[in-house]
Amino acid sequence: DAKTTQPPSMDCAEGRAANLPCNHSTISGNEYVYWYRQIHSQGPQYIIHGLKNNETNEMASLIITEDRKSSTLILPHATLRDTAVYYCIVRVLRTSGTYKYIFGTGTRLKVLA
Amino acid sequence: EAQVTQNPRYLITVTGKKLTVTCSQNMNHEYMSWYRQDPGLGLRQIYYSMNVEVTDKGDVPEGYKVSRKEKRNFPLILESPSPNQTSLYFCASSLSGTGGSSEQYFGPGTRLTVT
Repeated sequence: DAKTTQPPSMDCAEGRAANLPCNHSTISGNEYVYWYRQIHSQGPQYIIHGLKNNETNEMASLIITEDRKSSTLILPHATLRDTAVYYCIVRVLRTSGTYKYIFGTGTRLKVLA
Repeated sequence: EAQVTQNPRYLITVTGKKLTVTCSQNMNHEYMSWYRQDPGLGLRQIYYSMNVEVTDKGDVPEGYKVSRKEKRNFPLILESPSPNQTSLYFCASSLSGTGGSSEQYFGPGTRLTVT
């Protein structure tokens, strides 16, 4: 199974862009990259996902390298409410034909006032 | 409002006393799943269900049971809880578990303590 590697923690100044890296060097061609965040011990919240192309939505942008071995989640203007643990996840296909989400240990982002 | 609900949110129980954690979703999702979250180990999948009456083991199924008799409900059953099942539990659902790229929606979590 593909695994993800993320830095354990990062700080970002309020109003600045937060760039969260993720390494997934063993990812296969049809495996999606997902990003979720978890505030305190609440349920993880979906942010964005992508396969090959860069993606953008109202919350964030996802930049995937051409070889797909790494990606970066960008929060363009971080606020204090963005302080959370951010998970980079690879969705892999089981032999049964169902999907499995492989969670890493995440990056604890702290946005500083 | 589209959501996944879990009950109870907090539970303290004793070893061996059977318990059920309920999970319900109102989005007509086919796929539902249970995870446990432990410090340093991230989220690990316990069981999942592709649709009504279709369930399968995840990565850490020992000591747990599930059932899917209705599309919206996916209860997690601990027949004889033990202290190593003390954890934070999340239920999740998504439109499908086999096609497309639909995201999972997570419930608010159930914090279980087994003494």
